[in-house]
Amino acid sequence: DMKVTQMPRYLIKRMGENVLLECGQDMSHETMYWYRQDPGLGLQLIYISYDVDSNSEGDIPKGYRVSRKKREHFSLILDSAKTNQTSVYFCASSLSAETLYFGSGTRLTVL
Amino acid sequence: QQQVRQSPQSLTVWEGETAILNCSYENSAFDYFPWYQQFPGEGPALLIAIRSVSDKKEDGRFTIFFNKREKKLSLHITDSQPGDSATYFCAAYTNAYKVIFGKGTHLHVLP
Repeated sequence: DMKVTQMPRYLIKRMGENVLLECGQDMSHETMYWYRQDPGLGLQLIYISYDVDSNSEGDIPKGYRVSRKKREHFSLILDSAKTNQTSVYFCASSLSAETLYFGSGTRLTVL
Repeated sequence: QQQVRQSPQSLTVWEGETAILNCSYENSAFDYFPWYQQFPGEGPALLIAIRSVSDKKEDGRFTIFFNKREKKLSLHITDSQPGDSATYFCAAYTNAYKVIFGKGTHLHVLP
């Protein structure tokens, strides 16, 4: 069963705190993505990872960093979270970019 | 810079009608255009896709029409059902596995 799992589903943090969003996939896909979704803005690419320790900035990487130490696991880190990072974050994986498999998202609120 | 544009932002149709969702793009190098469907509380899921060498792609009630010269495409949903109510994203595949999404069209199908 092809699955992308995101944890946690909901997260509330205070401004300045560190945030760790985790994503796992069971399809052995090499490529993984982090997007954020905001009302009226669609899906914006934060980072893309081509494999373990092979990461590339997307369109809005500022304020974020990522870690991929195992092929099946991709983390998004917010060092000192800001209120404008309140959003829904989606992780996805793909074999060829022709089909992205998305997780159910993490709704992050930064107070 | 909005590379993939969608219109309308919101669309309401009656059950049984045909819904037409529009998309345009700027980069002539784009050669693969997936449409993703997203229900509230879930991640997007691939619905249908077309390559730039084709001008039409059908899958049941869903059809993509593609005009390469004008850099436009549209998703037609015939015999719309209330269960089709969702947000639809047009996307374009670039090099390096980057997938760029439009801002989405919210479709409401009234019974």
